[in-house]
Amino acid sequence: DAGVIQSPRHEVTEMGQEVTLRCKPISGHNSLFWYRQTMMRGLELLIYFNNNVPIDDSGMPEDRFSAKMPNASFSTLKIQPSEPRDSAVYFCASSLGREETQYFGPGTRLLVL
Amino acid sequence: AQKVTQAQTEISVVEKEDVTLDCVYETRDTTYYLFWYKQPPSGELVFLIRRNSFDEQNEISGRYSWNFQKSTSSFNFTITASQVVDSAVYFCALRRGTGANSKLTFGKGITLSVRP
Repeated sequence: DAGVIQSPRHEVTEMGQEVTLRCKPISGHNSLFWYRQTMMRGLELLIYFNNNVPIDDSGMPEDRFSAKMPNASFSTLKIQPSEPRDSAVYFCASSLGREETQYFGPGTRLLVL
Repeated sequence: AQKVTQAQTEISVVEKEDVTLDCVYETRDTTYYLFWYKQPPSGELVFLIRRNSFDEQNEISGRYSWNFQKSTSSFNFTITASQVVDSAVYFCALRRGTGANSKLTFGKGITLSVRP
């Protein structure tokens, strides 16, 4: 069975550019999570959706970050404009329900120059 | 507030040694879930185990075993007869119980190096 799919796997961009990260959850999973991993802050939740509806976005750093889930099989995390401090690994995870185990994608390694 | 402490930051062992990774958690909830994830050098996060707060039975899966003790708020992970492929960063995580926020609170991780 296919796991969580994320694209791109690596992204290098210049400060000020728009960055869009994509995630396809495991088929049948109805909860989707975006996490960010940095050396300083570790792994932290940015936002999560249940049945395509955002439930908790309190971890989104600021207005430059936005996330959407237009359907059950696709989500995007957008950063506009990007800044060097956004450099991190961004993970998407999905679960069968809010209470179930979260399975992570391979991550997108973002470098903003 | 939820908190997970992994006091060990780096552990180095020789192959075939046993190693225990410690995890201490803080929560005011009576219902909660604990997890361990493995992050190998390739970078992905691999789910290892989940326990709920009402199940204190220890669990064994091959060379892996977990010791959950509510009295000390600990959920420790032991690898028996370690192998080089066990080299990774291991994260302990906590999630609130049914009906509460589903986010995982992670510890800082423990980097395990297993030398041949």
